[in-house]
Amino acid sequence: QQQVKQSPQSLIVQKGGISIINCAYENTAFDYFPWYQQFPGKGPALLIAIRPDVSEKKEGRFTISFNKSAKQFSLHIMDSQPGDSATYFCAASGETSGSRLTFGEGTQLTVNP
Amino acid sequence: DAGVIQSPRHEVTEMGQEVTLRCKPISGHDYLFWYRQTMMRGLELLIYFNNNVPIDDSGMPEDRFSAKMPNASFSTLKIQPSEPRDSAVYFCASSPEPGTANYGYTFGSGTRLTVV
Repeated sequence: QQQVKQSPQSLIVQKGGISIINCAYENTAFDYFPWYQQFPGKGPALLIAIRPDVSEKKEGRFTISFNKSAKQFSLHIMDSQPGDSATYFCAASGETSGSRLTFGEGTQLTVNP
Repeated sequence: DAGVIQSPRHEVTEMGQEVTLRCKPISGHDYLFWYRQTMMRGLELLIYFNNNVPIDDSGMPEDRFSAKMPNASFSTLKIQPSEPRDSAVYFCASSPEPGTANYGYTFGSGTRLTVV
């Protein structure tokens, strides 16, 4: 019940296209859903996060969409750029897990020029 | 703040040797996490601390692994004896209390461990 399932495992998008990564969770106590971006040789870095009181959050070209009833959330990268090529992780946590984040398996995004 | 600082960046050691990884969290962060990342298993939480106290070490793979946090500014992860299957990138992360305005994990740059 603590798992967060992420798909796809890898994604190739052309420059200017939209990248979409999806995550699903089971634990209804989860109330914090961040996305992390990781470049090779670096640690994951917080990209954007959402709480279930809103259905969407946008920061620049990055948008999280949240569907509480379906227990799903997704990351949309608009106007994808080669510099966005990285591994993306979704995660979730809630009151029962304290500060402990459960991470998805990761999606390797490649944006071709 | 310089962020979460890990050392060494790279470590190559022979099987059976003791390995110590070090982490300095961000000042004021109450939580510290140790993760291991491999291609096969992704990001695995090994152990985490709250206010220097270990809260959950259920992810520590075996008794060969131990972690300490003697004070708020320093933590170590020790592997003794090391084995080739321990080869991975080990990340330390810290965070403030959940619910704070700037809540989120800050990861260090990791230690790439190779056991030969």
